[in-house]
Amino acid sequence: AQKITQTQPGMFVQEKEAVTLDCTYDTSDPSYGLFWYKQPSSGEMIFLIYQGSYDQQNATEGRYSLNFQKARKSANLVISASQLGDSAMYFCAMREGMDSSYKLIFGSGTRLLVRP
Amino acid sequence: KAGVTQTPRYLIKTRGQQVTLSCSPISGHRSVSWYQQTPGQGLQFLFEYFSETQRNKGNFPGRFSGRQFSNSRSEMNVSTLELGDSALYLCASSLGRSGNTIYFGEGSWLTVV
Repeated sequence: AQKITQTQPGMFVQEKEAVTLDCTYDTSDPSYGLFWYKQPSSGEMIFLIYQGSYDQQNATEGRYSLNFQKARKSANLVISASQLGDSAMYFCAMREGMDSSYKLIFGSGTRLLVRP
Repeated sequence: KAGVTQTPRYLIKTRGQQVTLSCSPISGHRSVSWYQQTPGQGLQFLFEYFSETQRNKGNFPGRFSGRQFSNSRSEMNVSTLELGDSALYLCASSLGRSGNTIYFGEGSWLTVV
């Protein structure tokens, strides 16, 4: 069964430093996509970055990069130069069956707190 | 470009009542999915609609239903509300073809008392 695991319930990082949020996944489908979302206290889920299972290079979006290690089934999010506004919940999610349903399976999330 | 719009943002209902939540997807997006988020269960998939047809359904009781209109706007309905239905309900929109863009709205906070 598909599953997403985020083992860090909470993390601290100093402002301007980099931080890595861990995500491992389990699937038997060779075609899948991995997503990271940020959720501030307001509740909105903000899309950060996407990695497809067939993508050869790690995805990057501004200060966000995804460290994709397919053999280890991990898709860690790296945030460079942390800002106070980065304090939020972060969710890793997976989509299987890339040609049909847009159902996402979410991990339990990591709460990131950026210290000034 | 307008994002995913969910209404209402906050609502309080009494046990036994029903509620309807609305979601307007990003213009051009034909797939709308709904998720329930609670502290205990996390984020759980409710259902997905594409071109007015339910394409996938999560493991929720029949009290939870949804529909999609020809303009891609979607509604979800919960009947006979229970205290455990108190949650943040999130709507996501996508183009509907294979791709990597799934955007969420701000959510509807439902409290059942």
